[in-house]
Amino acid sequence: AQTVTQSQPEMSVQEAETVTLSCTYDTSESDYYLFWYKQPPSRQMILVIRQEAYKQQNATENRFSVNFQKAAKSFSLKISDSQLGDAAMYFCAYIANNLFFGTGTRLTVIP
Amino acid sequence: ETGVTQTPRHLVMGMTNKKSLKCEQHLGHNAMYWYKQSAKKPLELMFVYSLEERVENNSVPSRFSPECPNSSHLFLHLHTLQPEDSALYLCASSQEEGTGANVLTFGAGSRLTVL
Repeated sequence: AQTVTQSQPEMSVQEAETVTLSCTYDTSESDYYLFWYKQPPSRQMILVIRQEAYKQQNATENRFSVNFQKAAKSFSLKISDSQLGDAAMYFCAYIANNLFFGTGTRLTVIP
Repeated sequence: ETGVTQTPRHLVMGMTNKKSLKCEQHLGHNAMYWYKQSAKKPLELMFVYSLEERVENNSVPSRFSPECPNSSHLFLHLHTLQPEDSALYLCASSQEEGTGANVLTFGAGSRLTVL
C-alpha cells in the first residue's frame, strides 16, 4: 500500500523562528516525486516545494527547504524565518502512478 | 481569469436534489481532477480526466457523475447524495508530460453541505 503519514495534526511557531513539519511515506516504487502543498484559509492549495526521489540534493525554495531521507522514507519541511502568512494547513504528497496526500498539519504562527 | 476556478464556492442541498459543481482551468493543461477533502482524512482522488478521457474513478459511488466536455471544463453532477458526502470538493489541473512529475494546480474548492 502506498500511504503518506503526517504525525503532527497541529504545530505552532513564533514569528521569525524555524519550524519543521514531518512526513513519512510508504512505497515500493524507486522513482517517484514528493510535494509539500499549502492550503491557507482561502482553501486554494498551493505548491510549496517539490523533490524528485532520484535526486540526493534536498530541494530549497527561499525560506522553505526539505530534508529528504530516501532510505527512511522521510520528507520533512523546514520553514525558516516564519511569517504570519505561513499560517495554513500543510499537506505532504507523494506521486508515482497516483497522487497520495497525507492528512495535513495545521501550522499556527504566533506574532 | 487565471488558474483554476470553481463554482459555486458554497452549496447546500437536500438529499433529493440534483446539482452540479463546475471547474474551469485557464492554464492550457491537459488533465483535470476531482478530489474530496474531508476533515482529518487524506484527500481522496475521485476522478481523473486526461485529454478529456476518464482514466480513473476509484470506485466512487454512482451518485457522483463527472463530465469533461473539453480540456478546460470539468463538471461533477450530484444527485441523491447522503449527509456523509458533505465535504470540500477540490478541482485541479496539470500538464501531463509522462514523467510522473505532475504538479497540480488547485481551485479554491466547493464546500458542499448535504442536509
